Amino acid sequence: QQPVQSPQAVILREGEDAVINCSSSKALYSVHWYRQKHGEAPVFLMILLKGGEQKGHDKISASFNEKKQQSSLYLTASQLSYSGTYFCGTESDTDSWGKFQFGAGTQVVVTP
Amino acid sequence: DTAVSQTPKYLVTQMGNDKSIKCEQNLGHDTMYWYKQDSKKFLKIMFSYNNKELIINETVPNRFSPKSPDKAHLNLHINSLELGDSAVYFCASSQTSANEQFFGPGTRLTVL
Repeated sequence: QQPVQSPQAVILREGEDAVINCSSSKALYSVHWYRQKHGEAPVFLMILLKGGEQKGHDKISASFNEKKQQSSLYLTASQLSYSGTYFCGTESDTDSWGKFQFGAGTQVVVTP
Repeated sequence: DTAVSQTPKYLVTQMGNDKSIKCEQNLGHDTMYWYKQDSKKFLKIMFSYNNKELIINETVPNRFSPKSPDKAHLNLHINSLELGDSAVYFCASSQTSANEQFFGPGTRLTVL
């Protein structure tokens, strides 16, 4: 079953912050975050593994709460280049190896 | 050098035809994937191959068949194309399911 992302869309002014949530009904082994710009392929942002720590990439960071089976992506001091659709992908701890699912995506629009 | 390449980039065909999309990765990865992204931008995993063996096969019609001649290639064959097959198909690869996935540029399939 695919993870659930929220919100579906968010509009930000440059410099504002946003949080994107990803939750699963199953125990998770890993959570991946990708960003896709219009007409392009998804691009990797970061992976959080079970038992791992919070990660960050420039002003984009993420956390993984194993007990709650959810992850959050934090966009801090957003830039115009942050616009795109953000997908979380999850690998379940209980399913067979390699069962990877993407959420429906969160569209982020950053305006000047 | 392109890490993950797909051909063709665009494919326009008639209903009922059979077509193939090729994918090659030069990263030495053990796992390759095929995704379908529909008009609503949902990324649905179709197949996952690890060391030439099918790991998962989602509820995809058997008109779709992956073929992996070697670890670096995962081709997608589609028989009896239907209107609903129109989408962008992405190939991706990773070292393992817990590692970053590298996506190809996508193939936009249009069935008339």
